[in-house]
Amino acid sequence: ETGVTQSPTHLIKTRGQQVTLRCSSQSGHNTVSWYQQALGQGPQFIFQYYREEENGRGNFPPRFSGLQFPNYSSELNVNALELDDSALYLCASSLAYEQYFGPGTRLTVT
Amino acid sequence: QQQVKQSPQSLIVQKGGISIINCAYENTAFDYFPWYQQFPGKGPALLIAIRPDVSEKKEGRFTISFNKSAKQFSLHIMDSQPGDSATYFCAASRPGSGGSNYKLTFGKGTLLTVNP
Repeated sequence: ETGVTQSPTHLIKTRGQQVTLRCSSQSGHNTVSWYQQALGQGPQFIFQYYREEENGRGNFPPRFSGLQFPNYSSELNVNALELDDSALYLCASSLAYEQYFGPGTRLTVT
Repeated sequence: QQQVKQSPQSLIVQKGGISIINCAYENTAFDYFPWYQQFPGKGPALLIAIRPDVSEKKEGRFTISFNKSAKQFSLHIMDSQPGDSATYFCAASRPGSGGSNYKLTFGKGTLLTVNP
């Protein structure tokens, strides 16, 4: 186990709704990265937070937003959900190069 | 443009055999190359990683071979076991701020099946 936890485990939402996913990083880690993994694909980088500041963003629209809190936990918010947002959302925490992933949140948009 | 190309897409080996998965990258700024193992319904687990200052790294049955001039690296699983059956992803990243690495760019994955 990596010590990275995510909630909820599964989520079903309707197109157009908004969703918030949560991640608790491993103790001592100050960086959280979020990834989207579609079925049968490798994870795609959404954005990274380092010491509460966004530290880079992938090719995702602004309706994907995030936060990092003083305890280094993080949230991923997605507005105006689309069917293509259905995926496994992974967070990874790190202190240096090694990124450790949580179990993910499976989001289904209907 | 796919920055990390992984092959094969799927691989079947017999128990006790050697599994070999290959990756090629394009961005010469990459300086960290990890391999992840993922079981269905789980998050990726870090297996082994290498920096470009060495050509090989071994941890137990897992070995990474790295060829900087060819911009290629590979994962070798010795004495493959049925429990190794999973999807394997190579990845690459470049330096970020504050000592933490930047985004991981993943290959598309290799589904490994080890037959008993």
